[in-house]
Amino acid sequence: AQSVTQPDIHITVSEGASLELRCNYSYGATPYLFWYVQSPGQGLQLLLKYFSGDTLVQGIKGFEAEFKRSQSSFNLRKPSVHWSDAAEYFCAVGARPSNTGKLIFGQGTTLQVKP
Amino acid sequence: GAVVSQHPSRVICKSGTSVKIECRSLDFQATTMFWYRQFPKQSLMLMATSNEGSKATYEQGVEKDKFLINHASLTLSTLTVTSAHPEDSSFYICSARGTGPKTEAFFGQGTRLTVV
Repeated sequence: AQSVTQPDIHITVSEGASLELRCNYSYGATPYLFWYVQSPGQGLQLLLKYFSGDTLVQGIKGFEAEFKRSQSSFNLRKPSVHWSDAAEYFCAVGARPSNTGKLIFGQGTTLQVKP
Repeated sequence: GAVVSQHPSRVICKSGTSVKIECRSLDFQATTMFWYRQFPKQSLMLMATSNEGSKATYEQGVEKDKFLINHASLTLSTLTVTSAHPEDSSFYICSARGTGPKTEAFFGQGTRLTVV
């Protein structure tokens, strides 16, 4: 069965420090991959997506993610975290080849930023 | 990115009543819309997929008679929670997708439903 695992439920980093949020997926083939951010009581904002091509994907707000097929991973990174980055982060996969928009989400990682 | 508007953002209703949540795509035609449910501190679970002009497809375990979905136009889908109970209290989020193989779905702001 298709699944997405975010091993870290909660992460705390200091402002200015680097960040890596982990995401592993289980899927029969390479899926479409997404990272979303959610502020409390809000909807989801797309940070970045991987469909094909370069495995290092650049997103908004200084985030990037690297698709590693051999590890079935799509980890999210940011070199220097800002206090405004504190939020909930979700990794998600979408089915190929139809890409209907139907997504399977990971459990989410809560990011706390210390001043 | 495209804009999806969800209304209301918060609603409180009495147990036994019905409540309707709207999801609108403001600047594109949404051939497909999705409804998700999110419990506190948990992930999003897909409830159903709706295509304009056809019946919604519900995920396993979701009661279609309780969660009525209508996608009557290319810009509007509605979710009606019928005979609401306190256990239906949750955060409901819609997403909408246009056409094209590399088109992602865009999310609404969500609706916090509280049944008292």
